[in-house]
Amino acid sequence: GQQVMQIPQYQHVQEGEDFTTYCNSSTTLSNIQWYKQRPGGHPVFLIQLVKSGEVKKQKRLTFQFGEAKKNSSLHITATQTTDVGTYFCAARSSQNNDYKLSFGAGTTVTVRA
Amino acid sequence: ETGVTQTPRHLVMGMTNKKSLKCEQHLGHNAMYWYKQSAKKPLELMFVYNFKEQTENNSVPSRFSPECPNSSHLFLHLHTLQPEDSALYLCASSQSGGGYGYTFGSGTRLTVV
Repeated sequence: GQQVMQIPQYQHVQEGEDFTTYCNSSTTLSNIQWYKQRPGGHPVFLIQLVKSGEVKKQKRLTFQFGEAKKNSSLHITATQTTDVGTYFCAARSSQNNDYKLSFGAGTTVTVRA
Repeated sequence: ETGVTQTPRHLVMGMTNKKSLKCEQHLGHNAMYWYKQSAKKPLELMFVYNFKEQTENNSVPSRFSPECPNSSHLFLHLHTLQPEDSALYLCASSQSGGGYGYTFGSGTRLTVV
């Protein structure tokens, strides 16, 4: 089945710094979603990207969908302690009518104050 | 509250027990899902229901038995589980189709002893 790979698996960030997490697929995606799971919590939907090259912003978070619709990135500026958690991408393949949502393994973010 | 309510929040059961997990959504969604989240593993899709009909069974062992009496309620019946089944079981709902984010419940933390 279709898989999405996320890198890095872990991200240790100094408070105030920026970082980026990436999501890659070998197949063309129909859309991609991002979720955040706080420690001890459950995944919470952040955003969905649909169009090639699409960029969306939510305050300090910038989400981008690649031109080929095979990868995506989440960039966080001026990291805060509230950004701690695991960020998952989830995607649907546009091939073979496979519209199941496949989750990446996540990037777990810790913040040094 | 997320609009998706799961009970119980925690469950400890012996390998010979029978128990059920319950999920209820108040969002008017018509698709519901069971996911398993184990430590250091991606979210694993178990079952999908669209308009009360099961549309996906992701090679889940028969000791897990789902039930969806209506579009708002979803159950996961458990019997003769193994210790490796210990995990966080997450219920989610969404509108049907490929373009909607999932709303997750808070999950049931299951421990099999």
